[in-house]
Amino acid sequence: AQTVTQSQPEMSVQEAETVTLSCTYDTSESDYYLFWYKQPPSRQMILVIRQEAYKQQNATENRFSVNFQKAAKSFSLKISDSQLGDAAMYFCALTDSWGKFQFGAGTQVVVTP
Amino acid sequence: DTAVSQTPKYLVTQMGNDKSIKCEQNLGHDTMYWYKQDSKKFLKIMFSYNNKELIINETVPNRFSPKSPDKAHLNLHINSLELGDSAVYFCASSLHGLPRGEQYFGPGTRLTVT
Repeated sequence: AQTVTQSQPEMSVQEAETVTLSCTYDTSESDYYLFWYKQPPSRQMILVIRQEAYKQQNATENRFSVNFQKAAKSFSLKISDSQLGDAAMYFCALTDSWGKFQFGAGTQVVVTP
Repeated sequence: DTAVSQTPKYLVTQMGNDKSIKCEQNLGHDTMYWYKQDSKKFLKIMFSYNNKELIINETVPNRFSPKSPDKAHLNLHINSLELGDSAVYFCASSLHGLPRGEQYFGPGTRLTVT
């Protein structure tokens, strides 16, 4: 069975500052992918970034980057230069070979001016 | 261009009724999913279809029945609605259903059972 754990229910960050969201996971698969999705108040689920488990290099997408520690089964998301539009619920997710996504419980990011 | 669309976006109905939520994707994907997001925002997969074939069927009451007329559509039919069915239901799609295929989500359908 796969599990994804996000231990931070809420994180607060000031505009222009950096915030890091933690995610740990467990899987018996050797080939898997990890994702971060963002869900703003509009409810739409938006893909932020993805990481292939076989790649050692950490993925980056503009102000978003991950710290992927495969041995530790850790997949944290760093949001740099935070903006008001980054305020949302962030979900960490893992897929198995069937393409079945397992989502974490989510971390609410609050951005203050 | 809407990639994954769901109708309706809001659905309010009484206990005991039967309702359907429709999902369509125009991305050319061959795998579609239904998720339930509860009041605590927890997302849980319910079903997945690949080329109209059911490949994931989680522990879901049999009052929920997915139907895939073709690979671009996956509808969710719910019989005898209960209060606990109130949630946001998301449809999603991906290519091949393989790990590398990130999923594209619809806007969600907020179902309220009174």
